[in-house]
Amino acid sequence: DAGVTQSPTHLIKTRGQQVTLRCSPKSGHDTVSWYQQALGQGPQFIFQYYEEEERQRGNFPDRFSGHQFPNYSSELNVNALLLGDSALYLCASSLVWGDEQFFGPGTRLTVL
Amino acid sequence: AQTVTQSQPEMSVQEAETVTLSCTYDTSESNYYLFWYKQPPSRQMILVIRQEAYKQQNATENRFSVNFQKAAKSFSLKISDSQLGDTAMYFCAFMKGTGAQKLVFGQGTRLTINP
Repeated sequence: DAGVTQSPTHLIKTRGQQVTLRCSPKSGHDTVSWYQQALGQGPQFIFQYYEEEERQRGNFPDRFSGHQFPNYSSELNVNALLLGDSALYLCASSLVWGDEQFFGPGTRLTVL
Repeated sequence: AQTVTQSQPEMSVQEAETVTLSCTYDTSESNYYLFWYKQPPSRQMILVIRQEAYKQQNATENRFSVNFQKAAKSFSLKISDSQLGDTAMYFCAFMKGTGAQKLVFGQGTRLTINP
């Protein structure tokens, strides 16, 4: 049983570009959450998707958007990249009525 | 808004010793969950232990146990018989019991177990 998978592992972009990160949830999970983890910090909640809808959003600008597909996989899109967007982006999956989130290995985004 | 505070940025102990990591939180919620996550250098976040706020009994998972003091809003993690593989960043996290499952994390404690 595969756990949460994310792609790509690493990504280097320049300021102003756009990026798409992908996440496949753990088998059987229907809810996907995205977190941003700056170096040396705890993860910060970006948003959560359930039934292809954004269920809750953290304090992130509209440049951050997402999508969930019918198979529960998800994408995180970031437009107009800033240097401060450099971070590890973590995807976590869960059951909508559950309380435990399972994390993927993350995507390391570097913005130059 | 909920906040989680970990006051120990770094800790270091010898193998086989017992170590306690501190965590305090602030919330007006009565129904919530608390978690300790471990993030080894390989960076995949792993759940160590969870506590439901309505349960008075402290959670235990093998060598890991918590001291949950609800009135004091304190949630410390004790690691007994520490092992080299326990070396990692440890994050305390809070989740409301209702609504979306948003985890609020502390800043983390970097724990090093020395041989």
